[in-house]
Amino acid sequence: AQSVTQLGSHVSVSEGALVLLRCNYSSSVPPYLFWYVQYPNQGLQLLLKYTSAATLVKGINGFEAEFKKSETSFHLTKPSAHMSDAAEYFCAASNTGFQKLVFGTGTRLLVSP
Amino acid sequence: EAGVAQSPRYKIIEKRQSVAFWCNPISGHATLYWYQQILGQGPKLLIQFQNNGVVDDSQLPKDRFSAERLKGVDSTLKIQPAKLEDSAVYLCASSPRAWLAGDTDTQYFGPGTRLTVL
Repeated sequence: AQSVTQLGSHVSVSEGALVLLRCNYSSSVPPYLFWYVQYPNQGLQLLLKYTSAATLVKGINGFEAEFKKSETSFHLTKPSAHMSDAAEYFCAASNTGFQKLVFGTGTRLLVSP
Repeated sequence: EAGVAQSPRYKIIEKRQSVAFWCNPISGHATLYWYQQILGQGPKLLIQFQNNGVVDDSQLPKDRFSAERLKGVDSTLKIQPAKLEDSAVYLCASSPRAWLAGDTDTQYFGPGTRLTVL
């Protein structure tokens, strides 16, 4: 069964620093991959998704992620963190078929001034 | 375009009581999902509807949970009777298209209903 692993339940950065959130998937067939952000008391909002068209995917709010098949990874990055980026980030995968999303356990991003 | 609506936003009940959640997906969306998000975990799919038919309910505890999607639009999720471990946020999501082999679709999430079972 498909699984998604997010390394680090909490990541702390300073404002202006690089953001790197890690995600690895387990699948013999590269799945569709997603990053969602969740602000307190809100639903999940799609940041970006990989659908095999390009390995480097650009999303909203300056985030991007690179699909690396050899590493089974889909890490999320942002060159310069902003205070408003503080939130919970979820990586998710979906195999072809019924669009079922399997989520990682999430990474809380903390941004300090 | 209005987003996915859910109600209530918060619910507190005693164990063994019943509770129901309501979801109104984005207009015209064919597929509707219910997820359970326990504190500290990622969302877990409970049930997926395509129009008004169920396509995946493999992780729905059917002895206590039930769901329906009326006329392929709104949906309700019911828990009867509730247990302490049902305390979670219940998220509803919808996506525009029906299942298509070799394809996937963006899911749009509602704000969720936070259930506390005492």
